[in-house]
Amino acid sequence: GNSVTQMEGPVTLSEEAFLTINCTYTATGYPSLFWYVQYPGEGLQLLLKATKADDKGSNKGFEATYRKETTSFHLEKGSVQVSDSAVYFCALSPYSSASKIIFGSGTRLSIRP
Amino acid sequence: NAGVTQTPKFQVLKTGQSMTLQCAQDMNHEYMSWYRQDPGMGLRLIHYSVGAGITDQGEVPNGYNVSRSTTEDFPLRLLSAAPSQTSVYFCASSYGSQGASETQYFGPGTRLLVL
Repeated sequence: GNSVTQMEGPVTLSEEAFLTINCTYTATGYPSLFWYVQYPGEGLQLLLKATKADDKGSNKGFEATYRKETTSFHLEKGSVQVSDSAVYFCALSPYSSASKIIFGSGTRLSIRP
Repeated sequence: NAGVTQTPKFQVLKTGQSMTLQCAQDMNHEYMSWYRQDPGMGLRLIHYSVGAGITDQGEVPNGYNVSRSTTEDFPLRLLSAAPSQTSVYFCASSYGSQGASETQYFGPGTRLLVL
């Protein structure tokens, strides 16, 4: 079946450090892939997405590349800020069932000043 | 533009009680959905709707009912609450009937505690 696995947290970094949050998926065909972010006390917001192999999604300095060969969609940022502290969710929407979405368990990120 | 609104923000129920979680959006989105968020498990899809009068089950539909009589509203009903339904519930909407593959807009959530 379809599933998403992301690295467990919490992840704690110092400000201006490089960030990678790993995400791998299992799916048939070519799913759409997403990163959503949840700030404390709020609902989720779309951070970026990619809909086909080798696509790169980017937003607010974050990037992720859709790698079909490794079934991965790792989230990266070159220099994190305290305001990036949040929970990050990797997700996929199956090609065969675009009305559904499957989320990973989330990775909590804390940035120290 | 209020976006996606949810009421109540917080609710305590006793086992066996019923209640309705309200969700409304003012963006004329076709697709609406309900999720529950439990610690360490991410979000799981309960029910979704691709338009008024059309609903379908998600990953964890048992114990929940939905209806979609208007484009704007998508209430979630718990007929007989159980402690296992203690969770944070999020409603979301997106443009177009292929909703989950489009950008979803989430409400602020309803925290439910069942005793």
